[in-house]
Amino acid sequence: DAGVIQSPRHEVTEMGQEVTLRCKPISGHDYLFWYRQTMMRGLELLIYFNNNVPIDDSGMPEDRFSAKMPNASFSTLKIQPSEPRDSAVYFCASSFAGAPQHFGDGTRLSIL
Amino acid sequence: GQQLNQSPQSMFIQEGEDVSMNCTSSSTFNTWLWYKQDPGEGPVLLIALYKAGELTSNGRLTAQFGITRKDSFLNISASIPSDVGIYFCAGPPGGTSYGKLTFGQGTILTVHP
Repeated sequence: DAGVIQSPRHEVTEMGQEVTLRCKPISGHDYLFWYRQTMMRGLELLIYFNNNVPIDDSGMPEDRFSAKMPNASFSTLKIQPSEPRDSAVYFCASSFAGAPQHFGDGTRLSIL
Repeated sequence: GQQLNQSPQSMFIQEGEDVSMNCTSSSTFNTWLWYKQDPGEGPVLLIALYKAGELTSNGRLTAQFGITRKDSFLNISASIPSDVGIYFCAGPPGGTSYGKLTFGQGTILTVHP
């Protein structure tokens, strides 16, 4: 079975550019989560959706970050404009009802 | 908010040794999860614990849900090089569902052949 699929796996871009990260959750899962991982702060939950609806975005750092889930099989996390401090590994995870979350392999983002 | 404290932060062991790590919280949890993250990959679920006092095994891994519901332990027996990685504990805060997980800061395990 396909797991959570994230793209791209790596992204290097210049400060000020728009960055879009993509996620395809596991088919049938009704929760989708976006996390950011850094050495300093560990794993941080940015936002999560239930049935395509954003439930809690309190972890989104600031207005430069936005996330959408237009349908059950696709979500995006956008940073505009990007800054060097946004460099991190971004993970998407999905789950079904009360089951534990399954993670994708992440997008390693470097902002120069 | 609720925080999970993992210890030790890192471990350097010889292949074949047993490993113990734990996770504590000032608040109670109804579920404890243990994940492992290999370099360059996302965390993978190892063991899920649902009841206070529960002891669950997965191969060489054994985890326990503390009686007080404020801690959990993970043991790895007879470590091998592929056990290298970061081990995270996690749980849904405030007795909620899996809508949100709190993660510990991780224990970094290095195994020398």
